[in-house]
Parts: sequence; C-alpha cells; structure tokens
Amino acid sequence: QQQVKQSPQSLIVQKGGISIINCAYENTAFDYFPWYQQFPGKGPALLIAIRPDVSEKKEGRFTISFNKSAKQFSLHIMDSQPGDSATYFCAASGSGTYKYIFGTGTRLKVLA
Amino acid sequence: DAGVIQSPRHEVTEMGQEVTLRCKPISGHDYLFWYRQTMMRGLELLIYFNNNVPIDDSGMPEDRFSAKMPNASFSTLKIQPSEPRDSAVYFCASRKSGTPREAFFGQGTRLTVV
Repeated sequence: QQQVKQSPQSLIVQKGGISIINCAYENTAFDYFPWYQQFPGKGPALLIAIRPDVSEKKEGRFTISFNKSAKQFSLHIMDSQPGDSATYFCAASGSGTYKYIFGTGTRLKVLA
Repeated sequence: DAGVIQSPRHEVTEMGQEVTLRCKPISGHDYLFWYRQTMMRGLELLIYFNNNVPIDDSGMPEDRFSAKMPNASFSTLKIQPSEPRDSAVYFCASRKSGTPREAFFGQGTRLTVV
C-alpha cells in the first residue's frame, strides 16, 4: 500500500513532442504528489508538485494531471527539448508523515 | 545557502571494510533523509530524522547499516562490514516541517564495494 508505481521505465521522444509519464498509488492518505527531475551525476530536484484538491497544475511546459478517483497522476512535458533529457521520479507523501515514497523512475531521452 | 552537502562524492572500498558517508543538511531544516538509489530499485528511503531523532528506520536493509545525527548540522550513514551489493548512490536530503513540503537533495555519494 506504500508503493508508487511508475511507467514507462524509459521514454524516447522527438524534439517538440509531448512526453507523458504515469504514476499510480494505493494509499489514500497520500496528500502531496511531487515530481523530481534528476540529471546524471546530480541529486533529484523538485520540478512541480500537486495536492489532490486540484486536478491539474501547470508550470511552463510542465503539467501534472491528477485523477483522485483512479489514484493516478501523470507528468506531461509539452514541446519536449533535448535539455529535458533526464530521469523523472514521481513521489507521494502523507500529511501524517514527512517521508516521500518514490516511483522507480523514468529515463527520458529527447532526440534533437 | 550552499544546499545539502555530502561527502565523499565517490568512495571505493574493499568488501568487509567500514564505510562512513557524511551529510550536512541545509541550515534550519529539521528533517533529514537518507536514500539509496540503484537501477533495480530506484530511490529507497533508508531512514529519516526529525530534530536529530530517528523517526523511521524501517528501510535500513540490515544491521550492517547504521545512521546517526549527533547535531542539527551533521549526519552519518555507516556500513560495517560493507558488501558488493551495497554498491549504489546514497543521497541525503533535508526539508523544513510545514510548507512548502519540498525536500532538497545533496549531490550523492557513489559507493563501490569491490
């Protein structure tokens, strides 16, 4: 029940295309869903986050879509650029705990 | 602030040796997390502290692993004795209680046990 399932494991997208990464969770106590971006040799860094009281959050080219009833959320990267090539992790956290449970990661490669 | 600082960045050690990883969290952050990253298992939470007190160590894989936080600005993760399967990147992260709920990660320590 503590797991966050992430797919796909890897993704190749042409420059200008849309990258979509999906995550699913089971624990309804989760109330904070961040996405982290990690470049090679670096630590993960917060990209965008959402709470379950909204269905969508957009920051620039990055959008989180959230489906509370299905317990799923996804990251959409519009107009994907080669500089977006990185590993993306979804995560979940509950208000009663300060720890994050991370998905297994998606390695994104955007072709120039 | 310089962010979360981890040392060393790389560590190569022989099986059976003791390894100590170090972390300095961001000043003012009262939560500190240790994660392990592998290709197979992704980012696994090992242990986390609140105000220097261990809160949840259920992710620590074995008794060979131990973590301490003697003060608000320093934490260690120790592996004794080390084994080849401990080879991974170990991350330390910190955050403040309340909002925003962002956790800040260090650059990680790449551990190789041969």
